[in-house]
Amino acid sequence: SQELEQSPQSLIVQEGKNLTINCTSSKTLYGLYWYKQKYGEGLIFLMMLQKGGEEKSHEKITAKLDEKKQQSSLHITASQPSHAGIYLCGSPTDSWGKLQFGAGTQVVVTP
Amino acid sequence: NAGVMQNPRHLVRRRGQEARLRCSPMKGHSHVYWYRQLPEEGLKFMVYLQKENIIDESGMPKERFSAEFPKEGPSILRIQQVVRGDSAAYFCASSLRQGDTEAFFGQGTRLTVV
Repeated sequence: SQELEQSPQSLIVQEGKNLTINCTSSKTLYGLYWYKQKYGEGLIFLMMLQKGGEEKSHEKITAKLDEKKQQSSLHITASQPSHAGIYLCGSPTDSWGKLQFGAGTQVVVTP
Repeated sequence: NAGVMQNPRHLVRRRGQEARLRCSPMKGHSHVYWYRQLPEEGLKFMVYLQKENIIDESGMPKERFSAEFPKEGPSILRIQQVVRGDSAAYFCASSLRQGDTEAFFGQGTRLTVV
């Protein structure tokens, strides 16, 4: 079965600095989703990538899916306190739409 | 247009009691997915339902857990005779079409078994 590994598990970044989170799959990805979760809350959809080499940006967040479609990265530019939370990558495991998730990356933004 | 609504947000049950978690999908959505997030673990798929049908329950524990999505009303995840290991956050997601994985997630129900 497919496994998604996220790295790092957690990171602390100073406000204004950039950060990158990686999501690596043991198999070819047929779609990769990034979500953000704040403690005690649900998942907020950030971005979806489907094609190898695809790159999407929203505000200060950019996500890429590599050419070989086995890894994705999420990059945040000039981090702000609002970027703090747990970032999860997820990938569909079948045509029915159920997702398999990575363990998450906890991001802390310090003043 | 309200999002996916889950209730209750927090639920405390004593060991051996039953827990009922409700999920009202987004308006017009007929596909519901349940996930469980155990402490210190990632989100794991439990069950996928369409109206009145269980499509995939490969992630459901074999005993004590059941799910339904009736023609009318919310989807229900039922846990009988809860044990401490059932303490977790349970999330529901809904989608308009099968395979529409940009699913919308609810806020979750945090179950604590004491």
